[in-house]
Amino acid sequence: QQPVQSPQAVILREGEDAVINCSSSKALYSVHWYRQKHGEAPVFLMILLKGGEQKGHEKISASFNEKKQQSSLYLTASQLSYSGTYFCGTTYTRGSNYKLTFGKGTLLTVNP
Amino acid sequence: SAVISQKPSRDICQRGTSLTIQCQVDSQVTMMFWYRQQPGQSLTLIATANQGSEATYESGFVIDKFPISRPNLTFSTLTVSNMSPEDSSIYLCSVESQGVEKLFFGSGTQLSVL
Repeated sequence: QQPVQSPQAVILREGEDAVINCSSSKALYSVHWYRQKHGEAPVFLMILLKGGEQKGHEKISASFNEKKQQSSLYLTASQLSYSGTYFCGTTYTRGSNYKLTFGKGTLLTVNP
Repeated sequence: SAVISQKPSRDICQRGTSLTIQCQVDSQVTMMFWYRQQPGQSLTLIATANQGSEATYESGFVIDKFPISRPNLTFSTLTVSNMSPEDSSIYLCSVESQGVEKLFFGSGTQLSVL
């Protein structure tokens, strides 16, 4: 079952913050976040495993709420380089970490 | 990190023909995956290719339409057979990172079927 991402698109000015959500109707084991720039391959950002941990990568961090079956990606003080489409990929059982079901993506545009 | 070379990068094909996409990795990997990304859409897993065994296909994808080869631990091919305009998509191969639980993606093959 495909996870649901929201919003579908967001436009920011440089320096503003954004939150992208990824929700599942089924209990999650892990959530992976990827960013894809136009015409390029998706690039791995981070993975969150069942347990409700939060991770950070420079000014990009994410949380995983097991009870709500959702993950949120936080982009702080956005930079022009953050523009792209963000995908969450989910797994539902342990041992299937590479078999991801991706959401439809959130298009993030950061303007000067 | 794994470096993945995928070719061709793009092709325009006629209806009814077949195209074979190659994926070469710079290190040995157990699992390779083939994804399809239709224009403006998400990534959909076509199949998992394991060396020494038949590929495992996801619901909606069949071997006759998307035959896959995996002759060794660094190489795989995906063939799109008897193409129709509905097959126009970006096809991406990906590999797992040993022990790190993340996927690396090739740069993709943009296929247009006329």
